[in-house]
Amino acid sequence: AQKVTQAQTEISVVEKEDVTLDCVYETRDTTYYLFWYKQPPSGELVFLIRRNSFDEQNEISGRYSWNFQKSTSSFNFTITASQVVDSAVYFCALSVASNDYKLSFGAGTTVTVRA
Amino acid sequence: DAGITQSPRHKVTETGTPVTLRCHQTENHRYMYWYRQDPGHGLRLIHYSYGVKDTDKGEVSDGYSVSRSKTEDFLLTLESATSSQTSVYFCAISDRDTNSPLHFGNGTRLTVT
Repeated sequence: AQKVTQAQTEISVVEKEDVTLDCVYETRDTTYYLFWYKQPPSGELVFLIRRNSFDEQNEISGRYSWNFQKSTSSFNFTITASQVVDSAVYFCALSVASNDYKLSFGAGTTVTVRA
Repeated sequence: DAGITQSPRHKVTETGTPVTLRCHQTENHRYMYWYRQDPGHGLRLIHYSYGVKDTDKGEVSDGYSVSRSKTEDFLLTLESATSSQTSVYFCAISDRDTNSPLHFGNGTRLTVT
């Protein structure tokens, strides 16, 4: 079985603060992929990043960074110097080989950035 | 945009009526998915398709059926809608053969009264 837990339901920060979103996953597979998606208030789902289980290298894209740690089964997402446009629901997701790579999502974390 | 169109975008229907949601893609991707989004649950897979006339159930398939007669179209049908099926429905596509991530349509908001 596979499972994704996003323990933080809502996070509220003031603009320019950093915010870290936690994602903990469970799987017995050794081959899997982890994802983050963003859902702004307009409702569409925007793909942010995909990581495979064999690549633990952290990644930075502008103000976004991701910390993948297999030892703790975590794939955390940090927004540096947050902006109002970062206000959205963020979903972590997992796909595993034994489940035909179907995507399983966490419940999502709502981030509100106040001006 | 990943070339995915969902229709209708909004629908209100009454309990017991049939409803069909349509997903149309222009990317020629083999895999198509239907998810529903509900507060506290994230997105949950209803059904998916791995080719024309090849479909399979997801984790919340009860009360739903799907059909895929053409590569570009994936239909989701609620045979007899219930209030518990009030949700936002998302279609997604992927080109699994190149290991691409899922790309989603803009969603259909369905209300069953």
